[in-house]
Amino acid sequence: AQKVTQAQTEISVVEKEDVTLDCVYETRDTTYYLFWYKQPPSGELVFLIRRNSFDEQNEISGRYSWNFQKSTSSFNFTITASQVVDSAVYFCALSDTSGTYKYIFGTGTRLKVLA
Amino acid sequence: GAGVSQSPSNKVTEKGKDVELRCDPISGHTALYWYRQRLGQGLEFLIYFQGNSAPDKSGLPSDRFSAERTGESVSTLTIQRTQQEDSAVYLCASSLGPWTGASTDTQYFGPGTRLTVL
Repeated sequence: AQKVTQAQTEISVVEKEDVTLDCVYETRDTTYYLFWYKQPPSGELVFLIRRNSFDEQNEISGRYSWNFQKSTSSFNFTITASQVVDSAVYFCALSDTSGTYKYIFGTGTRLKVLA
Repeated sequence: GAGVSQSPSNKVTEKGKDVELRCDPISGHTALYWYRQRLGQGLEFLIYFQGNSAPDKSGLPSDRFSAERTGESVSTLTIQRTQQEDSAVYLCASSLGPWTGASTDTQYFGPGTRLTVL
């Protein structure tokens, strides 16, 4: 069965610190997609990144970076120089490519960035 | 606006009443999903629509839950005889369509409907 684990329930950092959010997934599919979404206090999920299972090249976008490692089934997300506006719940998700492409979500990590 | 819209944003109802939640997907998106998010938890898949194909209802928790979609437009999620455990945020998402190796499967979410059953 497919599963996404975000072991960190809540993380608090002081502004300007770097922070890494962990995501570990389980799937028997050879082709799959991984996603990160941000859910600010307003509640709406905001798409951050999509990664193919066959593309392990890590990506940096501004203050965000992602580390995808198939060998450890991990897809971690790092925010450098965190800001108060980064405070949100971050969800990692795995796409079910068997037919519906529904997402299997982790339970989320609540990030609090303190001024 | 070009995003997914949902209505109402909040719904308070009494136990045993029926409720109907509405979702307007992004224009041109053939795939539509409903998810449920209980307080402090992740999202649970409920149902999936793709064009005119039969929907995937495998995530619906009971026969009190049903959903409809007309073509590639609006969808409604109906909960009959609501129970307190139905209290949650119901999120709708849409995507361009079946996975083709591009980004067509990326789902874009609406703001959700917060349902409270008293």
